Amino acid sequence: GAVVSQHPSRVICKSGTSVKIECRSLDFQATTMFWYRQFPKQSLMLMATSNEGSKATYEQGVEKDKFLINHASLTLSTLTVTSAHPEDSSFYICSALARSYEQYFGPGTRLTVT
Amino acid sequence: QQQVKQSPQSLIVQKGGISIINCAYENTAFDYFPWYQQFPGKGPALLIAIRPDVSEKKEGRFTISFNKSAKQFSLHIMDSQPGDSATYFCAASHSGNTPLVFGKGTRLSVIA
Repeated sequence: GAVVSQHPSRVICKSGTSVKIECRSLDFQATTMFWYRQFPKQSLMLMATSNEGSKATYEQGVEKDKFLINHASLTLSTLTVTSAHPEDSSFYICSALARSYEQYFGPGTRLTVT
Repeated sequence: QQQVKQSPQSLIVQKGGISIINCAYENTAFDYFPWYQQFPGKGPALLIAIRPDVSEKKEGRFTISFNKSAKQFSLHIMDSQPGDSATYFCAASHSGNTPLVFGKGTRLSVIA
């Protein structure tokens, strides 16, 4: 139980284009999901908290107009990187709150912007 | 300000030995302390977690020790195996639905 999927697992896009990443909780409903970014050999950096049916809460320094988050249902949250640039290349990971306190992570999405 | 400090940054342990990773926190409002295991190119996997009402929790070869007064908690991996080689993150949160605050991670290598 408590499985979270992400799609795609890898994506390569050209500079200036937009990319959408999906995060799904497969066997539970999640009113709250989180989006993280991870650079090589570093810890996870929280980007935003996504609550179903409401606007996402972004961490300081994260551009909400660049990283669009939509939590349209209890099992799906999406992160859209708009007008991507090479500096946006990173490993993006989502997590879903299965029950009070317990967060389960997706497998991550490797984004490469050329 | 780093709210959760993790050490060591890297650790090499012989197969069959005990791996010990330590974390210290500052925020006394934290009341949930999980450990995650991450393999390269994968998302973190929840390994084991503890609440402050107990001082120790064991699941298989993995044990969390918790010291509330010292604001410290640690992960012990007994009979360490090469397959345990991964990066381990401690984390903390409060209130049940707030984001996790992560330590910087420990790269564990178990050598035969």
